[in-house]
Amino acid sequence: EVQLVETGGGLIQPGGSLRLSCAGSGFTVSSNYMSWVRQAPGKGLEWVSIIYSGGSTYYADSVKGRFTISRDNSKNTLYLQMSSLRIEDTAVYYCARTIYYAYTPTYYFDYWGQGTLVTVSS
Amino acid sequence: SYELTQPLSVSVALGQTARITCGGNKIGSKNVHWYQQKPGQAPVLVIYRDSSRPSGIPERFSGSNSGNTATLTISRAQAGDEADYFCQVWDSSTVVFGGGTKLTVL
Repeated sequence: EVQLVETGGGLIQPGGSLRLSCAGSGFTVSSNYMSWVRQAPGKGLEWVSIIYSGGSTYYADSVKGRFTISRDNSKNTLYLQMSSLRIEDTAVYYCARTIYYAYTPTYYFDYWGQGTLVTVSS
Repeated sequence: SYELTQPLSVSVALGQTARITCGGNKIGSKNVHWYQQKPGQAPVLVIYRDSSRPSGIPERFSGSNSGNTATLTISRAQAGDEADYFCQVWDSSTVVFGGGTKLTVL
């Protein structure tokens, strides 16, 4: 059974840094595309970042240069290193296994973790 | 940037059919995916690539996509279908989500 468990959220001051983890089980994280998606309180979903199985990484403009996605293959774990945090980064952060369909290029998310709340506040 | 427009809310009587729309410029040329999110829970994929259902999703959930509108249809609506629903596409190397629709089952 595919499972994703996020940890690492919490209260952080503006300008601070935080690292989120997402432990996978029932599948191999490094063999899949993996993403982070966030949801501000009471708002919709916003894609944050993706890492391809080959290691390429991409980011939403809102976090580019501040967030870094990575993985540890030995731990089957995905990470999101967040720095220079802003109040508007406050959200529940979900990791999601990402499916890439090549024939008519598209991405979608077939498994999600339960999310971890990041609150940026002074 | 590409935008997806969903109605804020849709209501349906118990046992009837609910239709939730997702509007976008020539969205019919894109693959549309739909997610269900209940309060306090993570999203769940209910339709992918316009009309395919993941295993475990009831046949009551179906999708279509043409022109400038994609539609998620929920037949024989149940109380357990009450949730927020989000559409999603891939455009210009980025993921785009609709704003979400709150489905109320009366």
